Amino acid sequence: DIVMTQTPLSSPVTLGQPASISCKSSQSLVHSNGNTYLSWLQQRPGQPPRLLIYQISNRFSGVPDRFSGSGAGTDFTLQISRVEAEDVGVYYCMQSTQFPLTFGGGTKVDIK
Amino acid sequence: EVQLVESGGGLVQPGGSLRLSCAASGFTFSAYAMSWVRQAPGKGLEWVSAISISGDATYYTDSVGGRFTISRDNSKNTLYLQMNSLRVDDTAVYYCARDPGISVFDIWGQGTMVTVSS
Repeated sequence: DIVMTQTPLSSPVTLGQPASISCKSSQSLVHSNGNTYLSWLQQRPGQPPRLLIYQISNRFSGVPDRFSGSGAGTDFTLQISRVEAEDVGVYYCMQSTQFPLTFGGGTKVDIK
Repeated sequence: EVQLVESGGGLVQPGGSLRLSCAASGFTFSAYAMSWVRQAPGKGLEWVSAISISGDATYYTDSVGGRFTISRDNSKNTLYLQMNSLRVDDTAVYYCARDPGISVFDIWGQGTMVTVSS
């Protein structure tokens, strides 16, 4: 199974300041078709997860442009350019390159 | 409105069975692969099972293989998860999620709670 490791576990951020979350996979996420199936999800308190970013850097419909994704191979990053109050929650990376699909352990973003 | 609504959760004793349902509306259910993802209380997300558009291909995480069965009825726009031989560590909120064919989960239900306890 591919192990997804996220850091940090927790990220207290000042409103308006940037935040960055790292996700590392135990093996390359490049599929045989050339695509890399790494996505980012946000889970606000008491809510189901919500798709933010897919295939490393593609923002899903309706996601604000302050969210961006980057990376390649085994190292990936989610960046929030200016954290807003509504961004509080837990963020997960997920690989869907191969079964079983696996998630990172989550990073909690809250306001200082 | 595109929507997934789970049902069928509840309290069950260890060794018991439950069948979860996920009713889809607002989109062509038969055009999408589907998955179940669970979240134990206070824990992270764990993918459980996936099913192809036609239902002829199914996938499971190791811990549920042989105990859980995913299925779908495209005529009823409904996804199912039959859970047998339930264990205490199966306790979780179970979400169904839609895959638009690019190996992501773009729509999630609100979840249904399954509690396995004596």
